Amino acid sequence: DTGVSQDPRHKITKRGQNVTFRCDPISEHNRLYWYRQTLGQGPEFLTYFQNEAQLEKSRLLSDRFSAERPKGSFSTLEIQRTEQGDSAMYLCASSSWLRGNEKLFFGSGTQLSVL
Amino acid sequence: DQQVKQNSPSLSVQEGRISILNCDYTNSMFDYFLWYKKYPAEGPTFLISISSIKDKNEDGRFTVFLNKSAKHLSLHIVPSQPGDSAVYFCAAEDQGGKLIFGQGTELSVKP
Repeated sequence: DTGVSQDPRHKITKRGQNVTFRCDPISEHNRLYWYRQTLGQGPEFLTYFQNEAQLEKSRLLSDRFSAERPKGSFSTLEIQRTEQGDSAMYLCASSSWLRGNEKLFFGSGTQLSVL
Repeated sequence: DQQVKQNSPSLSVQEGRISILNCDYTNSMFDYFLWYKKYPAEGPTFLISISSIKDKNEDGRFTVFLNKSAKHLSLHIVPSQPGDSAVYFCAAEDQGGKLIFGQGTELSVKP
C-alpha cells in the first residue's frame, strides 16, 4: 500500500494560465475523489469517479474545472484560465467502495497559488 | 448550506486532560460519520468512525459518541498528548458515498 500520491505538491501560476494536477490512488481502489480546501474551512467536495465514470460534480464547480480518469486508475484535474480565487489546497482521495461506510484515504494535496 | 458544522474553531487543552471536540449535522439521512486529523501541509488522515446503529465507538485514547436525536457527535481524546495538536474534521457520508466535512477545530495540547 503506497498510499494516494499527488503531483505536484506546490504550483504557483499567474492569473489566466491553465494548470493540471495528477492523482494516483491506492491501486485496488475503485473510487477517486477531488476536494478543495481553503484556510479555515473543511475540505469541499468537487467531483468523484467510480472506475472511469464521473458520477457527480459539485454545483459550485465552474466550467473552468474539468477532471478525468481515463482508465479508471490515475486522475487529472485541470483548471483553465485560473483566477486568484482558485488558490487553495486541492486534495485527492480514494476508497474501495462496495456498499457504503467506507473511509477515504487522502493524498498530501497540491497547494495552488494564483498570483 | 452547511450540513456539517463544527462551531468551535479552536480548543486549547492541558496535556493529560480530556479533549472534547463537537460536531452537529442537519441531515437526518446521514448514517455514517468519521473524524479526520490534519497536520499542516498534509492531507487528512482517518481517525475513527461510527455508524448510526451505535452510539459509541472506542479506539484506544479516542472515543466517538453519537446522539442521533440531537444530530450531534463528539470526539473525546483521553489523555490528550502534545502530538494530538492538529486540526480535526468531522465528516458525514451522504447517500452517494461522498463525505461532507465540517469546518474543522484546531486542537492545541499544551505540555
